[in-house]
Amino acid sequence: GENVEQHPSTLSVQEGDSAVIKCTYSDSASNYFPWYKQELGKRPQLIIDIRSNVGEKKDQRIAVTLNKTAKHFSLHITETQPEDSAVYFCAARLNTDKLIFGTGTRLQVFP
Amino acid sequence: NAGVTQTPKFQVLKTGQSMTLQCAQDMNHEYMSWYRQDPGMGLRLIHYSVGAGITDQGEVPNGYNVSRSTTEDFPLRLLSAAPSQTSVYFCASRVDRVTRDTQYFGPGTRLTVL
Repeated sequence: GENVEQHPSTLSVQEGDSAVIKCTYSDSASNYFPWYKQELGKRPQLIIDIRSNVGEKKDQRIAVTLNKTAKHFSLHITETQPEDSAVYFCAARLNTDKLIFGTGTRLQVFP
Repeated sequence: NAGVTQTPKFQVLKTGQSMTLQCAQDMNHEYMSWYRQDPGMGLRLIHYSVGAGITDQGEVPNGYNVSRSTTEDFPLRLLSAAPSQTSVYFCASRVDRVTRDTQYFGPGTRLTVL
């Protein structure tokens, strides 16, 4: 069935280091891949997204890469800062219009 | 614009009680959806709607009903609450167009079923 797997579940990095979160999806017809950031007690908010016709997208310190052949996509955060600490969710939109989320990665950035 | 609003923010129910979680958006979005968030399980899609009068099931629809009589409102009904439905519920909406996919979430409703 429809599934999005996300790894790792927790990630701890030193301030200034890079962080990478990886997701795989099961439906080859998926065409849209957003990433959401959720701070404690708050709602998820979109930070970056990518469509199936693009291999990479960058927005300042955040980048997302997509490998359609392997059905996986990744979030890259460079020069991490303590305010990057949050839970990050990947998602994949299926052809049926459903947006299915991964299980989340708790990122901790230590000063 | 208020964006996506949800009421109530917190609710405690007893097993077997019924209630409706309210969701409204003032952005004229066609697409609305409900998710539940549980520790370690991410956001799971309960039901969604691609427009007024149209609803469909998500990943975990059992125990929940929805209706979409207007573009603005998308209530979620629990007919007979169970402890397994203790969760944080998020409503979300987006413009249903190919080039405008950003999904906006409401602030959430924290539900406890005793």
